[in-house]
Amino acid sequence: EAGVTQSPTHLIKTRGQQVTLRCSPISGHTSVYWYQQALGLGLQFLLWYDEGEERNRGNFPPRFSGRQFPNYSSELNVNALELEDSALYLCASSSPQGATPNTGELFFGEGSRLTVL
Amino acid sequence: GESVGLHLPTLSVQEGDNSIINCAYSNSASDYFIWYKQESGKGPQFIIDIRSNMDKRQGQRVTVLLNKTVKHLSLQIAATQPGDSAVYFCAEVNQGGKLIFGQGTELSVKP
Repeated sequence: EAGVTQSPTHLIKTRGQQVTLRCSPISGHTSVYWYQQALGLGLQFLLWYDEGEERNRGNFPPRFSGRQFPNYSSELNVNALELEDSALYLCASSSPQGATPNTGELFFGEGSRLTVL
Repeated sequence: GESVGLHLPTLSVQEGDNSIINCAYSNSASDYFIWYKQESGKGPQFIIDIRSNMDKRQGQRVTVLLNKTVKHLSLQIAATQPGDSAVYFCAEVNQGGKLIFGQGTELSVKP
């Protein structure tokens, strides 16, 4: 069974540009989470989508946005890139109930490493 | 911002010794906690979880302890092996289902 897949794996952008990152969850999973992991820091929660709806959002500016498609894949968009947006962006998926004691874990992809110059 | 704090950013242990990684969480209403392991260049992987109605849970070579009184979580790894070298994150799940991660502790195992 395929795990969570993310694309692209690496990309380089310049300040002010826009970027779109993509995530395909594990088959059967309806929840998708996005996290930002800056170098040397922990995972900061960005967004949670479930059944096509945004369920929760972390403390990030509006230029971070996303969506979830009917097939449960997801995109993360970042506009007006800034140097501090350089990070590993991780996507995770879980079964329909989300990360609860009844369903267990989130399954993470390998991430998209964004470098902003 | 939101975070679950960790006491030690790095931990170095000798192969075969036991490792203890600590974590302090902030939200007393969180009811579910997870430990993740992240090897270099990879996404986090689930290790073990624990519900708030438990104070201890054991897995294969790993034990998680939860002390709700002081909002403290720990991960114990028995007979640490070189393959255990990684960054370990604790995470709490709040009532909205959002997973909040700590800073991470880098475990280094010396042969």
